[in-house]
Amino acid sequence: ETGVTQTPRHLVMGMTNKKSLKCEQHLGHNAMYWYKQSAKKPLELMFVYSLEERVENNSVPSRFSPECPNSSHLFLHLHTLQPEDSALYLCASSQGEGPGGTDTQYFGPGTRLTVL
Amino acid sequence: GQQLNQSPQSMFIQEGEDVSMNCTSSSIFNTWLWYKQEPGEGPVLLIALYKAGELTSNGRLTAQFGITRKDSFLNISASIPSDVGIYFCAGPHSGNTPLVFGKGTRLSVIA
Repeated sequence: ETGVTQTPRHLVMGMTNKKSLKCEQHLGHNAMYWYKQSAKKPLELMFVYSLEERVENNSVPSRFSPECPNSSHLFLHLHTLQPEDSALYLCASSQGEGPGGTDTQYFGPGTRLTVL
Repeated sequence: GQQLNQSPQSMFIQEGEDVSMNCTSSSIFNTWLWYKQEPGEGPVLLIALYKAGELTSNGRLTAQFGITRKDSFLNISASIPSDVGIYFCAGPHSGNTPLVFGKGTRLSVIA
C-alpha cells in the first residue's frame, strides 16, 4: 500500500474518445506528478503540480490536459489520442517543499492505456 | 538534458546469488533514490540516500552514495525469485527540480 491510488488500472480507448485518469494520494503531500512510461524508455515527466499550481509542463501535447482541484487529487484528461500514446501512466506525490518538489516521490500503480 | 546511466541493462542470475548494479551521472547529484518496479505496478521506493559516502541497508538491499556524488550502487544479497523486476535510480538534477530517472536494470532470477 503506497498511499497513492490510480483509477482505472486499465483503459482501452479509440482515437476519438475522451477519457480521464484519476489519481488520489492519502499521504498529505503537497506535490503531485504525472509520468508516462513507454517500453524501453526512461520515465518521462509530463506535469508537476505543487500546492495545486502547475509548475512544470515538459512540452506535452495539448491532447493531454491535467487538472489538480486540490492537493489530494490529480486528473489527466485525454482526448483525440494517438496509438503512440499507449503507455503506462503513473501518478506520484511528494512532500513538495518547493517548486517542483525534489523530495522523495511515491508512485501509484499506474493506468495501462491502450489507444486503438 | 540531465541523464542517469544505469548498468547493466539486464541481468539473469541464479537464486541465491548476489547482485550489483550501478548508476552514474556526468553531474553531481545531492540525492540518490532507488526504486523497484514489478510488472503492471508503479515504482516502489527501496532506499533513499542524502549524503555523499552514505551506505544504507534495507533488508538484503544495500545502497551507497558515491563520494564523488556522481554515482550510486545497489547490491542485493542472496537473491530470491521475488527480487525480479526493474530497478531504477533517480535523483533531482539540482535545486528545486523534479527527479531524473535512469532507464532501469531489469533483473531476472532463475530458481
